[in-house]
Amino acid sequence: LAKTTQPISMDSYEGQEVNITCSHNNIATNDYITWYQQFPSQGPRFIIQGYKTKVTNEVASLFIPADRKSSTLSLPRVSLSDTAVYYCLVGDGGGSYIPTFGRGTSLIVHP
Amino acid sequence: EPEVTQTPSHQVTQMGQEVILRCVPISNHLYFYWYRQILGQKVEFLVSFYNNEISEKSEIFDDQFSVERPDGSNFTLKIRSTKLEDSAMYFCASSEVRGGRANTEAFFGQGTRLTVV
Repeated sequence: LAKTTQPISMDSYEGQEVNITCSHNNIATNDYITWYQQFPSQGPRFIIQGYKTKVTNEVASLFIPADRKSSTLSLPRVSLSDTAVYYCLVGDGGGSYIPTFGRGTSLIVHP
Repeated sequence: EPEVTQTPSHQVTQMGQEVILRCVPISNHLYFYWYRQILGQKVEFLVSFYNNEISEKSEIFDDQFSVERPDGSNFTLKIRSTKLEDSAMYFCASSEVRGGRANTEAFFGQGTRLTVV
């Protein structure tokens, strides 16, 4: 299982763009990169997933360079409600795939 | 949007008692998981379940834990003799199966807060 490394915490202000980078140097060929969001006392929620280049949905964008050893979750114009813990996961959805969570990045958005 | 539902939302139990946490996964999902999160700590994997049997389990999932899919919709986690350190949020999750493999997008329930006193 590829190990992931991301900042423990980040601070931002309302209206700013936030970029959270995750390192996964040992990513395997079949691995996808998946990001989850977790609010206090709630279960993790899937945000976005990608394999390479760029993926965008209504919530976020995910940038993956050609070597796939890192990825960046981009949250445009954050609001106070984006304050949460963001997790980067790497895995291939194999028969025994287990979403495995690290410490994540605690994002605090200030007024 | 389909969702995973868990009951109860809160459970208080005395040490040594048995508890059953219930989950209704999304109807067309075939991979099920249980996780726990002790306050202030990370989300920890307990067990995965597929094709009516345990697929993987962690070191945390010892003999006091068991899982069951008693019917076509429910997925339960039983803790036989609760200990103080079992106090945590317990999350159920489910995912689709595509090509015989679990999808990397898992859907989580809102959790059951278990307090052992």
